[in-house]
Amino acid sequence: DTGVSQNPRHKITKRGQNVTFRCDPISEHNRLYWYRQTLGQGPEFLTYFQNEAQLEKSRLLSDRFSAERPKGSFSTLEIQRTEQGDSAMYLCASSLAGQGARGYTFGSGTRLTVV
Amino acid sequence: AQTVTQSQPEMSVQEAETVTLSCTYDTSESDYYLFWYKQPPSRQMILVIRQEAYKQQNATENRFSVNFQKAAKSFSLKISDSQLGDAAMYFCAYRYDKLIFGTGTRLQVFP
Repeated sequence: DTGVSQNPRHKITKRGQNVTFRCDPISEHNRLYWYRQTLGQGPEFLTYFQNEAQLEKSRLLSDRFSAERPKGSFSTLEIQRTEQGDSAMYLCASSLAGQGARGYTFGSGTRLTVV
Repeated sequence: AQTVTQSQPEMSVQEAETVTLSCTYDTSESDYYLFWYKQPPSRQMILVIRQEAYKQQNATENRFSVNFQKAAKSFSLKISDSQLGDAAMYFCAYRYDKLIFGTGTRLQVFP
């Protein structure tokens, strides 16, 4: 098991462009989470899935953001019409439902820079 | 709403000394989990230590231990025999249904 994998590691995009990030969780984990982290801050919750169902979305997730986990395995996070305020590190994490004591396993993140 | 507060933006410690990082949280739940995560400059979050709220005994992992005061909603992290590799951002986190993080404490370790 190689842990949680996120691609790309870095993305630079022009304002107004669409971007998509991918997260591959630990294979046996049925829960997958997306967080956003700006410099000097703690990660902020965006959304999470249990299998393919999106169970919760934060108010931070505007209508320009969409996340999917079509087969309950990998997930994608798409940002449409990017704005400079979207520049951040986007973290993915996974866990197994019912094993809350184990916390989450995080990926290395995708750093988005909007110019 | 659940919140996590870390009131120390930065802390420093000399190598081999002990340092304590503070964390308070707010919740109306009685059964939850608390965590300390470490985030080195490489940015991958690493779980340092965990505590189940129903356990009165404070968790310990090698040089890392916590002081969990449930009534006071306090969860501090003590790092003993600090090492240069302990330098990182440390995040306190609360979990009932999802992880909620504090704003972090940057720990510097001086030789």
